[in-house]
Amino acid sequence: EVQLVESGGGLVQPGRSLKLSCLASGFTFSNYGMNWIRQAPGKGLEWVASISSSSSYIYYADTVKGRFTISRDNAKNTLYLQMTSLRSEDTALYYCALITTKGFAYWGQGTLVTVSS
Amino acid sequence: DIQMTQSPSSISVSLGDRFTITCRASQDIGNYLSWYQQKPEKSPKLMIYRATNLEDGVPSRFSGSRSGSDYSLTINSLESEDTGIYFCLQHKQYPLTFGSGTKLEIK
Repeated sequence: EVQLVESGGGLVQPGRSLKLSCLASGFTFSNYGMNWIRQAPGKGLEWVASISSSSSYIYYADTVKGRFTISRDNAKNTLYLQMTSLRSEDTALYYCALITTKGFAYWGQGTLVTVSS
Repeated sequence: DIQMTQSPSSISVSLGDRFTITCRASQDIGNYLSWYQQKPEKSPKLMIYRATNLEDGVPSRFSGSRSGSDYSLTINSLESEDTGIYFCLQHKQYPLTFGSGTKLEIK
């Protein structure tokens, strides 16, 4: 069974940093591209970043480019999102998701990031 | 960037009725379009992939179709468990973009 478990969320002040993790199991992590997607309270879904299976290809939404860094450790089956210079508008539930040719086939349960002073 | 224009934003439908949601793509995305259902406090769930394919385990009353740049999700004979918010996603090109969502309620 595919499982994606996010962690690392919390309350952080504007301008500070936070690192999210997503531990994957139930599939061969190193074979799949992974993504971060966020959802602000009461709002829709926003794709944040993607990383290919071997980290060769990385993409970011313009809203986070230059502030967020996606990475992965295939030996640890873990996806990361390093977030810096956080803003109030980054407040959201952050999901990691496995992408296949079908789209986002599997999602984690999300980890909440709240940016507030 | 590819814009996905989703409509309606919300709707109330009677049990047993047929209901259709549409996403219009601003550029060609081929069939790289998927549909997701999100229940309150839950993660989104893949329902339809590559525009017309039913994901395993999804009831057959759900279907997807395409007409040019318009992509539709149809629910035949609505059941109470179908309430939630539905999103489309294009994954043809980065940045990946979602539709704004359709909130489906039972009348």
